[in-house]
Amino acid sequence: SAVISQKPSRDICQRGTSLTIQCQVDSQVTMMFWYRQQPGQSLTLIATANQGSEATYESGFVIDKFPISRPNLTFSTLTVSNMSPEDSSIYLCSVLGGTGNTIYFGEGSWLTVV
Amino acid sequence: KQEVTQIPAALSVPEGENLVLNCSFTDSAIYNLQWFRQDPGKGLTSLLLIQSSQREQTSGRLNASLDKSSGRSTLYIAASQPGDSATYLCAVRRVGAGSYQLTFGKGTKLSVIP
Repeated sequence: SAVISQKPSRDICQRGTSLTIQCQVDSQVTMMFWYRQQPGQSLTLIATANQGSEATYESGFVIDKFPISRPNLTFSTLTVSNMSPEDSSIYLCSVLGGTGNTIYFGEGSWLTVV
Repeated sequence: KQEVTQIPAALSVPEGENLVLNCSFTDSAIYNLQWFRQDPGKGLTSLLLIQSSQREQTSGRLNASLDKSSGRSTLYIAASQPGDSATYLCAVRRVGAGSYQLTFGKGTKLSVIP
């Protein structure tokens, strides 16, 4: 299994500001993913981040709002830009495990926008 | 478009009871199905993964079954304990080259009463 660390675990942010979430994995992984979980809702995939290429965004998510970096095989960042209260969510980093089957998640970053 | 439904949305049982959580999905063309546990305000812990060719998987007191043709999975928890209290999420991964997106249900919130 993979151990995934996210920072920050929680934050309260002002409307209009941006926040960068960091994701660190204890092993090299090819596939990394960012999900969002809005209050009372299921998880939704924001984008897939592969090292050495641009992130692939799902419908409804754009790079200007959620820029992603993937500088190496163990690290990624997600920035939530120009935040509004609707961005209040848990943001979760996940990776595809070594066997290529199991997907593992980090502890999540709980953002509240006021 | 794949849709995943989990019933019931919430369940409360006395300690020691055996229980079953249900998950249904609309598109049977899945690669695998994962069950996760989520504690309040936290990330997801992978519990069991069932490949599309498998019928069930077991880990300790947990047993997950898969009936792909009918679009159903169940998670059986034996001899429930208060520490099992959490939200249980079901997620399916679709078939397709380079397809890693998980589609999640909204979860079943389980409370085990001492």
